[in-house]
Amino acid sequence: NAGVTQTPKFRILKIGQSMTLQCTQDMNHNYMYWYRQDPGMGLKLIYYSVGAGITDKGEVPNGYNVSRSTTEDFPLRLELAAPSQTSVYFCASSKRDRETGQYFGPGTRLTVT
Amino acid sequence: AQSVAQPEDQVNVAEGNPLTVKCTYSVSGNPYLFWYVQYPNRGLQFLLKYITGDNLVKGSYGFEAEFNKSQTSFHLKKPSALVSDSALYFCAVRVNSGGYQKVTFGIGTKLQVIP
Repeated sequence: NAGVTQTPKFRILKIGQSMTLQCTQDMNHNYMYWYRQDPGMGLKLIYYSVGAGITDKGEVPNGYNVSRSTTEDFPLRLELAAPSQTSVYFCASSKRDRETGQYFGPGTRLTVT
Repeated sequence: AQSVAQPEDQVNVAEGNPLTVKCTYSVSGNPYLFWYVQYPNRGLQFLLKYITGDNLVKGSYGFEAEFNKSQTSFHLKKPSALVSDSALYFCAVRVNSGGYQKVTFGIGTKLQVIP
Protein backbone atom coordinates (compact mmCIF):
# COMPACT_ATOMS: atom_id res chain seq x y z
CA ASN A 1 0.00 0.00 0.00
CA ALA A 2 1.91 3.07 -1.24
CA GLY A 3 -0.65 5.60 0.04
CA VAL A 4 -0.54 8.93 -1.83
CA THR A 5 2.26 9.36 -4.36
CA GLN A 6 3.22 12.55 -6.17
CA THR A 7 5.53 13.23 -9.07
CA PRO A 8 7.80 15.02 -9.66
CA LYS A 9 9.45 15.85 -6.32
CA PHE A 10 11.05 19.02 -7.66
CA ARG A 11 10.59 21.13 -10.76
CA ILE A 12 11.83 24.45 -12.06
CA LEU A 13 9.67 26.16 -14.68
CA LYS A 14 10.15 29.27 -16.73
CA ILE A 15 7.39 31.88 -16.75
CA GLY A 16 4.69 30.90 -19.23
CA GLN A 17 5.55 27.21 -19.35
CA SER A 18 2.99 24.58 -18.45
CA MET A 19 3.18 21.35 -16.50
CA THR A 20 1.11 18.70 -14.79
CA LEU A 21 1.65 17.57 -11.24
CA GLN A 22 0.69 13.93 -10.86
CA CYS A 23 -1.09 12.45 -7.85
CA THR A 24 -2.16 8.85 -7.32
CA GLN A 25 -3.65 7.09 -4.32
CA ASP A 26 -4.18 3.36 -3.86
CA MET A 27 -6.51 3.46 -0.86
CA ASN A 28 -9.74 3.67 -2.86
CA HIS A 29 -10.52 7.04 -1.29
CA ASN A 30 -13.36 9.03 -2.77
CA TYR A 31 -12.12 12.47 -1.77
CA MET A 32 -8.94 14.00 -3.14
CA TYR A 33 -7.43 17.46 -2.67
CA TRP A 34 -4.71 19.74 -3.91
CA TYR A 35 -3.11 22.22 -1.52
CA ARG A 36 -0.31 24.69 -1.79
CA GLN A 37 1.89 25.53 1.16
CA ASP A 38 3.67 28.85 1.42
CA PRO A 39 5.87 29.89 4.37
CA GLY A 40 3.82 31.36 7.21
CA MET A 41 0.57 30.83 5.31
CA GLY A 42 -0.39 27.29 6.18
CA LEU A 43 -2.20 25.22 3.59
CA LYS A 44 -4.51 26.68 0.98
CA LEU A 45 -6.95 24.45 -0.89
CA ILE A 46 -6.66 24.76 -4.67
CA TYR A 47 -9.15 22.18 -5.92
CA TYR A 48 -10.89 19.14 -4.55
CA SER A 49 -12.83 16.17 -5.83
CA VAL A 50 -15.49 14.06 -4.13
CA GLY A 51 -15.33 11.28 -6.70
CA ALA A 52 -14.42 10.37 -10.25
CA GLY A 53 -15.77 12.95 -12.68
CA ILE A 54 -16.53 15.52 -9.97
CA THR A 55 -14.24 18.43 -9.15
CA ASP A 56 -14.71 21.81 -7.54
CA LYS A 57 -12.73 24.94 -6.74
CA GLY A 58 -11.11 25.58 -3.41
CA GLU A 59 -9.81 28.86 -2.01
CA VAL A 60 -7.09 29.62 -4.59
CA PRO A 61 -8.02 27.98 -7.95
CA ASN A 62 -6.85 30.70 -10.34
CA GLY A 63 -4.11 29.54 -12.68
CA TYR A 64 -4.80 25.84 -12.10
CA ASN A 65 -6.97 23.11 -13.53
CA VAL A 66 -7.75 19.56 -12.46
CA SER A 67 -9.44 16.46 -13.74
CA ARG A 68 -10.57 13.24 -12.07
CA SER A 69 -11.15 10.54 -14.63
CA THR A 70 -10.46 7.68 -12.19
CA THR A 71 -10.75 7.18 -8.44
CA GLU A 72 -6.97 6.80 -8.17
CA ASP A 73 -5.65 9.81 -10.10
CA PHE A 74 -6.06 13.54 -9.57
CA PRO A 75 -3.59 15.54 -11.69
CA LEU A 76 -3.11 19.29 -11.27
CA ARG A 77 -2.38 21.34 -14.37
CA LEU A 78 -0.58 24.70 -14.50
CA GLU A 79 -1.16 26.25 -17.92
CA LEU A 80 0.87 29.48 -17.84
CA ALA A 81 3.28 29.36 -14.95
CA ALA A 82 3.80 32.57 -12.98
CA PRO A 83 6.27 33.39 -10.18
CA SER A 84 3.33 33.56 -7.76
CA GLN A 85 2.90 29.82 -8.27
CA THR A 86 6.26 29.08 -6.69
CA SER A 87 5.25 26.91 -3.77
CA VAL A 88 5.15 23.41 -2.36
CA TYR A 89 2.15 21.46 -3.61
CA PHE A 90 0.55 18.65 -1.65
CA CYS A 91 -2.00 16.16 -2.81
CA ALA A 92 -4.19 14.48 -0.20
CA SER A 93 -7.00 11.97 -0.05
CA SER A 94 -9.60 10.84 2.44
CA LYS A 95 -12.49 8.44 2.81
CA ARG A 96 -16.02 9.62 2.19
CA ASP A 97 -16.59 9.32 5.94
CA ARG A 98 -16.13 12.90 7.10
CA GLU A 99 -14.79 11.78 10.45
CA THR A 100 -11.48 10.59 9.06
CA GLY A 101 -8.34 12.61 8.58
CA GLN A 102 -6.57 13.20 5.29
CA TYR A 103 -3.59 11.29 3.92
CA PHE A 104 -0.96 13.49 2.32
CA GLY A 105 1.58 12.84 -0.39
CA PRO A 106 5.25 13.87 0.02
CA GLY A 107 4.83 17.09 -1.96
CA THR A 108 6.19 18.72 -5.12
CA ARG A 109 8.46 21.73 -4.74
CA LEU A 110 7.88 24.03 -7.72
CA THR A 111 9.92 27.10 -8.60
CA VAL A 112 8.85 29.45 -11.38
CA THR A 113 11.54 31.84 -12.60
CA ALA B 1 -16.93 31.09 7.86
CA GLN B 2 -14.68 28.83 9.85
CA SER B 3 -11.18 29.62 11.03
CA VAL B 4 -8.32 28.23 13.06
CA ALA B 5 -5.77 30.20 15.04
CA GLN B 6 -2.42 28.92 16.19
CA PRO B 7 -1.17 31.86 18.23
CA GLU B 8 2.44 30.75 18.55
CA ASP B 9 4.79 30.65 15.55
CA GLN B 10 7.26 28.59 17.57
CA VAL B 11 7.28 26.69 20.84
CA ASN B 12 10.55 25.74 22.51
CA VAL B 13 10.64 23.08 25.21
CA ALA B 14 13.37 21.12 26.92
CA GLU B 15 13.53 17.39 26.32
CA GLY B 16 11.60 15.53 29.01
CA ASN B 17 9.37 18.49 29.83
CA PRO B 18 5.66 18.59 29.03
CA LEU B 19 4.67 20.43 25.88
CA THR B 20 1.56 22.28 24.75
CA VAL B 21 0.81 23.60 21.28
CA LYS B 22 -2.20 25.88 21.25
CA CYS B 23 -5.13 25.98 18.85
CA THR B 24 -8.40 27.87 18.92
CA TYR B 25 -11.15 27.62 16.35
CA SER B 26 -14.29 29.28 15.11
CA VAL B 27 -17.01 27.33 13.33
CA SER B 28 -20.77 27.51 12.90
CA GLY B 29 -22.02 24.32 14.44
CA ASN B 30 -20.22 21.42 16.01
CA PRO B 31 -16.61 20.93 14.95
CA TYR B 32 -14.47 18.08 13.86
CA LEU B 33 -10.93 18.92 14.98
CA PHE B 34 -7.63 17.46 13.84
CA TRP B 35 -3.93 17.72 14.52
CA TYR B 36 -1.30 16.96 11.90
CA VAL B 37 2.51 16.89 12.07
CA GLN B 38 4.91 17.74 9.28
CA TYR B 39 8.55 16.71 9.35
CA PRO B 40 11.02 18.54 7.07
CA ASN B 41 10.48 17.89 3.36
CA ARG B 42 7.55 15.58 4.06
CA GLY B 43 3.79 15.73 3.73
CA LEU B 44 1.49 16.17 6.71
CA GLN B 45 0.74 13.15 8.86
CA PHE B 46 -2.49 12.72 10.81
CA LEU B 47 -1.95 12.68 14.60
CA LEU B 48 -5.37 12.67 16.21
CA LYS B 49 -8.93 13.89 15.94
CA TYR B 50 -11.87 14.98 18.03
CA ILE B 51 -15.31 14.04 16.73
CA THR B 52 -17.47 13.65 19.80
CA GLY B 53 -17.36 12.10 23.26
CA ASP B 54 -14.46 12.43 25.69
CA ASN B 55 -12.82 15.82 25.67
CA LEU B 56 -9.36 14.28 25.97
CA VAL B 57 -8.36 12.39 22.86
CA LYS B 58 -5.24 10.30 22.45
CA GLY B 59 -3.28 9.96 19.24
CA SER B 60 -0.04 8.77 17.74
CA TYR B 61 3.44 9.06 19.27
CA GLY B 62 2.10 9.75 22.78
CA PHE B 63 0.31 12.95 21.84
CA GLU B 64 -3.08 13.91 23.20
CA ALA B 65 -5.36 16.89 22.79
CA GLU B 66 -7.99 18.47 24.98
CA PHE B 67 -11.21 19.80 23.49
CA ASN B 68 -12.70 22.72 25.40
CA LYS B 69 -16.01 23.83 23.96
CA SER B 70 -16.44 26.92 26.12
CA GLN B 71 -13.00 28.22 25.18
CA THR B 72 -13.24 26.90 21.59
CA SER B 73 -9.80 25.40 21.99
CA PHE B 74 -8.11 22.15 21.03
CA HIS B 75 -4.61 22.27 22.48
CA LEU B 76 -2.09 19.55 21.66
CA LYS B 77 -0.15 18.10 24.59
CA LYS B 78 2.48 15.55 25.45
CA PRO B 79 3.66 14.73 28.97
CA SER B 80 7.34 14.34 28.08
CA ALA B 81 8.85 15.85 24.93
CA LEU B 82 11.38 14.05 22.76
CA VAL B 83 13.93 15.65 20.44
CA SER B 84 12.33 13.65 17.64
CA ASP B 85 9.05 15.54 18.25
CA SER B 86 10.63 18.64 16.71
CA ALA B 87 8.47 19.40 13.67
CA LEU B 88 5.73 21.69 12.35
CA TYR B 89 2.28 21.08 13.82
CA PHE B 90 -1.00 22.02 12.18
CA CYS B 91 -4.44 22.26 13.73
CA ALA B 92 -7.45 21.85 11.43
CA VAL B 93 -11.22 22.18 11.75
CA ARG B 94 -14.22 21.03 9.77
CA VAL B 95 -17.86 21.61 10.57
CA ASN B 96 -19.82 18.53 11.66
CA SER B 97 -22.39 18.54 8.89
CA GLY B 98 -23.60 16.48 5.97
CA GLY B 99 -21.97 16.24 2.56
CA TYR B 100 -18.57 17.62 1.67
CA GLN B 101 -17.30 20.20 4.12
CA LYS B 102 -13.94 21.86 3.62
CA VAL B 103 -11.15 21.56 6.15
CA THR B 104 -9.48 24.76 7.32
CA PHE B 105 -5.87 24.51 8.49
CA GLY B 106 -4.01 26.79 10.85
CA ILE B 107 -0.74 28.33 9.75
CA GLY B 108 1.30 25.91 11.80
CA THR B 109 3.44 26.01 14.94
CA LYS B 110 7.07 25.00 14.88
CA LEU B 111 7.96 22.85 17.87
CA GLN B 112 11.61 22.81 18.86
CA VAL B 113 12.62 20.31 21.55
CA ILE B 114 15.97 21.20 23.03
CA PRO B 115 18.24 18.36 24.20
